[in-house]
Amino acid sequence: DIQMTQSPSSLSASGGDRVTITCRTSQSITDNLNWYQQKPGTAPKLLIYAASSLQSGVPSRFSGRGSGTDFTLTISSLQPEDFATYYCQQSYSTPWTFGQGTRVGIK
Amino acid sequence: QVQLVESGGGVVQPGRSLRLSCAASGFTFSSYGMYWVRQAPGKGLEWVAVISYDGSNKYYADSVKGRFTISRDNSKNTLYLQMNSLRAEDTAVFYCAKDRETVVVTANLDLWGRGTLVTVSS
Repeated sequence: DIQMTQSPSSLSASGGDRVTITCRTSQSITDNLNWYQQKPGTAPKLLIYAASSLQSGVPSRFSGRGSGTDFTLTISSLQPEDFATYYCQQSYSTPWTFGQGTRVGIK
Repeated sequence: QVQLVESGGGVVQPGRSLRLSCAASGFTFSSYGMYWVRQAPGKGLEWVAVISYDGSNKYYADSVKGRFTISRDNSKNTLYLQMNSLRAEDTAVFYCAKDRETVVVTANLDLWGRGTLVTVSS
């Protein structure tokens, strides 16, 4: 199975901050990497697919980069509605696996 | 309205069975691969099973293989998960989710239901 390691596991930030979350995989997955946002008590929401493609309806302050084993999700200017937990997920091979999550909290 | 609505969760004793359903609306259900993903209380996400758009291909996580069965009825726009021999470690919110692409299985999940809670306890 492909192991996913996200960092940090949590962070505190203020509105307007630039935030970057990292996801590292145990083997190369080319660009088969997705990012999801989950708010408490709600379902995950797809933000980025194929490492860098913005899902329809997602604000442009979200961006993704990377290929191979190292990926990043960046929020260019944190908004109040962005405080949530973020998960990466590899779609390269079964079993499809998720990172452990990064909680973005209010400083 | 494009949505997925899960049902069938509840409290069940270890070793018993439960069937989850996921009703789809607002899109051509029969064109998309469908997934079950679960989340134990306070934990992360775990992919459980996938079924192709026509039901011809199914894949399972090792943790549920041989106990869970995914199926679909395209005439009813409904996805199912039959869960047998349930264990305490199966306790989780179960989400159904839709593939972003038609026909092919990409594991890019662009629509999720709100989930249904399954609690396995004596």
